[in-house]
Amino acid sequence: QSVLTQPPSVSAAPGQKVTISCSGSSSNIGNNYVSWYQQLPGTAPKLLIYENNKRPSGIPDRFSGSKSGTSATLGITGLQTGDEADYYCETWDSSLSVGVFGGGTKLTVL
Amino acid sequence: QVQLQESGPGLVKPSGTLSLTCAVSGGSISNSNWWSWVRQPPGKGLEWIGEIFHSGSTHYKTSLKSRVTISLDKSKNQFSLKLRSVTAADTAVYYCAINRGNNAFDIWGQGTMVTVSS
Repeated sequence: QSVLTQPPSVSAAPGQKVTISCSGSSSNIGNNYVSWYQQLPGTAPKLLIYENNKRPSGIPDRFSGSKSGTSATLGITGLQTGDEADYYCETWDSSLSVGVFGGGTKLTVL
Repeated sequence: QVQLQESGPGLVKPSGTLSLTCAVSGGSISNSNWWSWVRQPPGKGLEWIGEIFHSGSTHYKTSLKSRVTISLDKSKNQFSLKLRSVTAADTAVYYCAINRGNNAFDIWGQGTMVTVSS
């Protein structure tokens, strides 16, 4: 059972928008930065969003991140079939002094 | 361009020690980064294992703390993971990753599969 809660799956049609939530607590999301990762089948995770809402070089602006209180959200607009992947949130837990990942969300582009 | 490459045995016997190395190229292990290990059991999500700072400070996942050691080898520009007393539950793809000060793992190795079985 993950410290951070994500929906197991989300789906949307090509061209549409989807959001993926990540819920935590004051000891993790509430007081630390959140990052988001995309994991395509059979590959290593790839950083999409860091420090809640910043995109690394090369990540298109179709991907966005936000944080409010003890929850964070990843948004993806203009969905493409190539966006089908597992998405994970991650942050630091100050009470435990450990990193924590969400359980992951499988995105299906119908 | 910093790159990471994991290496180590793909098969470890139960009760044995899992030992993996992450070779760093294109950058120095002495840089002010957190050098980390993450694993992923087959069909499951990502699990943070632990990290080491360039100074040698470490943090470990609470449930693994009694069995895990992460260390730096500055002479070889690499860092390592040792997990003792392994069981089948430790079967996973193991990734090394770097946090270069942006509070995220921005570089990952390709991962290496380790199976615990007799």
